[in-house]
Amino acid sequence: AQKITQTQPGMFVQEKEAVTLDCTYDTSDPSYGLFWYKQPSSGEMIFLIYQGSYDQQNATEGRYSLNFQKARKSANLVISASQLGDSAMYFCAMREPPVSGNTPLVFGKGTRLSVIA
Amino acid sequence: EPEVTQTPSHQVTQMGQEVILRCVPISNHLYFYWYRQILGQKVEFLVSFYNNEISEKSEIFDDQFSVERPDGSNFTLKIRSTKLEDSAMYFCALGQLNQPQHFGDGTRLSIL
Repeated sequence: AQKITQTQPGMFVQEKEAVTLDCTYDTSDPSYGLFWYKQPSSGEMIFLIYQGSYDQQNATEGRYSLNFQKARKSANLVISASQLGDSAMYFCAMREPPVSGNTPLVFGKGTRLSVIA
Repeated sequence: EPEVTQTPSHQVTQMGQEVILRCVPISNHLYFYWYRQILGQKVEFLVSFYNNEISEKSEIFDDQFSVERPDGSNFTLKIRSTKLEDSAMYFCALGQLNQPQHFGDGTRLSIL
């Protein structure tokens, strides 16, 4: 079974608009971490934002915020004021316990975001 | 400045040859990982390395693969007898306690 599901293979957004990229996850552990990475066409993986399962507030990092709905097991990425440079693949990933230790990340299939001028 | 440098950025190799991919951390890290991304697909975990030994590996990481940290700094992934399906982007990632994993820029491996 898929642990991380990203249902949007591709998304378009107008420059300066906000966009939400969906991510749902599957785990039976109460302790886990959720991550979003950006992969531009050049190929590198850039860490964007992290949400811990016990965090009381939704994570925010500049124009990125995470809409964390624990009961729904969703961790959607919201990008505000989209810029042309935001065009990239976006991957949601999860880390199961021990979250602070050595467990590898499990990735979703990604969403390709295209920002239109 | 990236926390980790990967070399080479692109490697083209004949099928059946051995390749060594290198990862050089900028600062001290406890945990090292190798991931693979076949073109157009998701990132897949290969192996993790802690305290100079493998701590976890996926089913992809079979006898064809090996990792080591020969000089206490560089972290290498060796692929023996490469196959066409080994063509992929290979990422090294570094981790510390309570920190997200930071990825290198990757090595694009092309097997001909």
